[in-house]
Amino acid sequence: AQSVTQLDSHVSVSEGTPVLLRCNYSSSYSPSLFWYVQHPNKGLQLLLKYTSAATLVKGINGFEAEFKKSETSFHLTKPSAHMSDAAEYFCVVSDRRYNNNDMRFGAGTRLTVKP
Amino acid sequence: EAQVTQNPRYLITVTGKKLTVTCSQNMNHEYMSWYRQDPGLGLRQIYYSMNVEVTDKGDVPEGYKVSRKEKRNFPLILESPSPNQTSLYFCASSLIGGEQFFGPGTRLTVL
Repeated sequence: AQSVTQLDSHVSVSEGTPVLLRCNYSSSYSPSLFWYVQHPNKGLQLLLKYTSAATLVKGINGFEAEFKKSETSFHLTKPSAHMSDAAEYFCVVSDRRYNNNDMRFGAGTRLTVKP
Repeated sequence: EAQVTQNPRYLITVTGKKLTVTCSQNMNHEYMSWYRQDPGLGLRQIYYSMNVEVTDKGDVPEGYKVSRKEKRNFPLILESPSPNQTSLYFCASSLIGGEQFFGPGTRLTVL
């Protein structure tokens, strides 16, 4: 069975400082990994995805994540936070044996950005 | 515009009164799915469909029904809603093996 653990339920940063949202995964097979963002009262938007190509994945809005198999991690980073980054972020793992359609969501990390 | 739409966006109802939440996509996706989002639990899958007339249970199917008579539509049915089904519901669609696109969500309150 596959699962995801987001290590922080809430992260608070100041505008202009780096962002780190941590995610560890468990998967019996080669996983695909995703980060989604949910702004208040909005649906989910895909930030980036890893599907076995380059281990450093660049996404939208300056976010990136690195797949580290030895650490079973897929942490999300951004060099400089912007006020508009305040949202809830979900790490997701899926099993490529099932065509990525069996997605398992983490509990979410709420990012607050202070002026 | 490629999108997944859900209706209604907000619904307050009472225990036992049957309701349907509609979901429609215009991207010709084979795969559609329903999730519920609860604080501290992330999104959990209720039901999914790999194609027309093909549906299967997700992790939390109890109390829900779905149907997939047309490719574009995947309604979620609560035959007898209960307060523990108060939640935020998302519909999603994708090509098989592709990125899932999510609808805007339906906030349901069952009194």
